[in-house]
Amino acid sequence: DAGITQSPRYKITETGRQVTLMCHQTWSHSYMFWYRQDLGHGLRLIYYSAAADITDKGEVPDGYVVSRSKTENFPLTLESATRSQTSVYFCAISRDEASPLHFGNGTRLTVT
Amino acid sequence: AQRVTQPEKLLSVFKGAPVELKCNYSYSGSPELFWYVQYSRQRLQLLLRHISRESIKGFTADLNKGETSFHLKKPFAQEEDSAMYYCALSGHSGGYQKVTFGTGTKLQVIP
Repeated sequence: DAGITQSPRYKITETGRQVTLMCHQTWSHSYMFWYRQDLGHGLRLIYYSAAADITDKGEVPDGYVVSRSKTENFPLTLESATRSQTSVYFCAISRDEASPLHFGNGTRLTVT
Repeated sequence: AQRVTQPEKLLSVFKGAPVELKCNYSYSGSPELFWYVQYSRQRLQLLLRHISRESIKGFTADLNKGETSFHLKKPFAQEEDSAMYYCALSGHSGGYQKVTFGTGTKLQVIP
């Protein structure tokens, strides 16, 4: 099922560059989340959003910026990429507080 | 603060053997607990949630508030169960939903 789309699927960038990962949903769900997946750490929450113009930090927000001007989009920006930000990034959405998450396919980011 | 602990990084079992993936949580309120699964080269997807009390693909999980656990069980493992399993807790933080995941357990079913 589509519903949630992440782009790009793969990205290689250099240290110090700005990178934006896109997340788009077609279901108008209120909640959107960004996680990073790393071996030994599982999924760690970077930022989340309860609605348009409402965002808050998760466990590992440093070095990342988000915005949510429209309900359907939740871009994640790495202002100055570092090697430690090499990871797989997952966007997820949920309808409300009690609903499960639906995940995108992920973006594999490599910072050289 | 909410926290989810999955003590095993890797669990290897033989086909047909019982499986138990452990999950313990820490949360001051009433938690919503979930198990998610990630098969090779696929996106994470919901396996089951505690409030539905149903069995999915032969898996069950019971919430034990006394032990703050939500272990995932299956009586007879199948090869297609090989995957990464994540336990997750949905709670409130600052008035909003926040979902915290454990570090995951890789289940390997040996033919």
